Amino acid sequence: EDKVVQSPLSLVVHEGDTVTLNCSYEVTNFRSLLWYKQEKKAPTFLFMLTSSGIEKKSGRLSSILDKKELFSILNITATQTGDSAIYLCAVLRGSQGNLIFGKGTKLSVKP
Amino acid sequence: NAGVTQTPKFQVLKTGQSMTLQCAQDMNHNSMYWYRQDPGMGLRLIYYSASEGTTDKGEVPNGYNVSRLNKREFSLRLESAAPSQTSVYFCASSYLLSGRATDTQYFGPGTRLTVL
Repeated sequence: EDKVVQSPLSLVVHEGDTVTLNCSYEVTNFRSLLWYKQEKKAPTFLFMLTSSGIEKKSGRLSSILDKKELFSILNITATQTGDSAIYLCAVLRGSQGNLIFGKGTKLSVKP
Repeated sequence: NAGVTQTPKFQVLKTGQSMTLQCAQDMNHNSMYWYRQDPGMGLRLIYYSASEGTTDKGEVPNGYNVSRLNKREFSLRLESAAPSQTSVYFCASSYLLSGRATDTQYFGPGTRLTVL
């Protein structure tokens, strides 16, 4: 059975800290791995990773995929209170675009 | 350009009532999805439509039906609501090119449904 596992499930840090969120997967017919940020409403897209070893960056956020070891990490440097959210990892599988999600990591950044 | 829209935003039903959740996208995407999100469970796929005229079951289809009305619209129907269907429902869309998903899925704002 396909599965995506995120860790930790929750995390509390202080502003300025650096955090690493983990996502491991066991999925048949893997296409790509996606990271989303969810605040109060709909998930918003952060990154799509298809190839191993290529880091994607957007400001203080970065992510990388290891297709051999079947995991990805999402790094956030110099965290701010606005980074507080649930971060979702999802794997795109098959040819019909189905996403399977992990349970998410709830990040709380304290001032 | 509104992206993905959903109606209603909130709904309270009694057990056994029926209702339809509406979803529309204006991004010319060919593929659309319905998810539910429960605390501690992440998002789970209910049904999807890879293209106009086709629908397929996802991970948790029981108790739901869908209709792909046209390229823009994809509705989710609860025929006889149950308390276990209390959840937040998200619609999403993406563009499939030659059978491969080439783009991320864009999500609507969600519908918070409570079944008493």
